[in-house]
Amino acid sequence: TAGITQAPTSQILAAGRSMTLRCTQDMRHNAMYWYRQDLGLGLRLIHYSNTAGTTGKGEVPDGYSVSRANTDDFPLTLASAVPSQTSVYFCASSDSGASTGELFFGEGSRLTVL
Amino acid sequence: GQNIDQPTEMTATEGAIVQINCTYQTSGFNGLFWYQQHAGEAPTFLSYNVLDGLEEKGRFSSFLSRSKGYSYLLLKELQMKDSASYLCAVKDSNYQLIWGAGTKLIIKP
Repeated sequence: TAGITQAPTSQILAAGRSMTLRCTQDMRHNAMYWYRQDLGLGLRLIHYSNTAGTTGKGEVPDGYSVSRANTDDFPLTLASAVPSQTSVYFCASSDSGASTGELFFGEGSRLTVL
Repeated sequence: GQNIDQPTEMTATEGAIVQINCTYQTSGFNGLFWYQQHAGEAPTFLSYNVLDGLEEKGRFSSFLSRSKGYSYLLLKELQMKDSASYLCAVKDSNYQLIWGAGTKLIIKP
């Protein structure tokens, strides 16, 4: 069972370049999320999507954009990367109708912006 | 503002018991989660509490007191593989998850 697949696993990017982090899930979950995780800080929500065709801003959306054209895919785009976007990015999904609605995470994408 | 507090790091001995505390101040409450995250890996779900009391799942138990804004994760019969970070998260009134910074648990032989 694949669950959630993220790509790339890691990437080094020059400042000012654009980058898309890919995320695909095969669990038919309605909700998907992008988080960044930095040392000493909790997971911070960048953007989310409660269902295909809709997206919303999280706690730290600036510099990032997302789209949700279908249930399975939720790419995250950095239009013009800056060094402060160096982080580990996690994509997650959940069945918000389930009793617990726990999140299932991808393996993460480590991004370094120089 | 919303806040989740957990100790930054804890050390325990293999075979022993450890309790990891989490206190929260959030706008509303719709459940509390504990996740385990090994270094360099994704967080994985451990437990969910929405009502007061203790939920037991094998060697792991999680307790919730909504009136005190407090939860703990209890790990028994510690094994070396339990060395990981443990993340506490609360679902607020908007059903958004607020995350603590995590507690790094170090298990010594």
